[in-house]
Amino acid sequence: SQTIHQWPATLVQPVGSPLSLECTVEGTSNPNLYWYRQAAGRGLQLLFYSVGIGQISSEVPQNLSASRPQDRQFILSSKKLLLSDSGFYLCAWTLHDWREKLFFGSGTQLSVL
Amino acid sequence: AQKVTQAQTEISVVEKEDVTLDCVYETRDTTYYLFWYKQPPSGELVFLIRRNSFDEQNEISGRYSWNFQKSTSSFNFTITASQVVDSAVYFCALRLNTDKLIFGTGTRLQVFP
Repeated sequence: SQTIHQWPATLVQPVGSPLSLECTVEGTSNPNLYWYRQAAGRGLQLLFYSVGIGQISSEVPQNLSASRPQDRQFILSSKKLLLSDSGFYLCAWTLHDWREKLFFGSGTQLSVL
Repeated sequence: AQKVTQAQTEISVVEKEDVTLDCVYETRDTTYYLFWYKQPPSGELVFLIRRNSFDEQNEISGRYSWNFQKSTSSFNFTITASQVVDSAVYFCALRLNTDKLIFGTGTRLQVFP
């Protein structure tokens, strides 16, 4: 069966520090991969998605970037974190079928201080 | 433009009450899928249901039921005889023939004993 792993679960970082969140999927190949952010008390904002290795689509211009170095690995990064980057980050995957549902990881709670 | 609106930010009920969560969507596409997800306090999004735009049959699963009405662009979710374990944030989402899933801002449901 397919599983999605996301780490770390929680992270506290100072303003200006770098960020790297990692997400990996097991049990499937060539999935679509997504990064969402959920600010406190708000909905889910799509940040990036990828339909294949090295293919990244950015939804919102911001302080973050994403990379997909391997088929089932999706990384969210920042060179210098801002206070506004705080939030709950969720990774998700789906099959290459637009009718399919997304499967979500357990999320990373990022606090930038 | 495509959009999902969940006008109810927060709902509080007492156990055993019925509760309906509203979802209104906007799209000009004739083919699309609608979803409901549950986000318990742990943070991970749990898939509840998927419905395509050509199937307006209401669906019931245990205490959960969904009412899809294309005429009003609504896909409402009802929990019958609510329980404390139903306390969570519920998200409605729309997927067109693209790689993106568009979420509403969510409704926080609190069920008190």
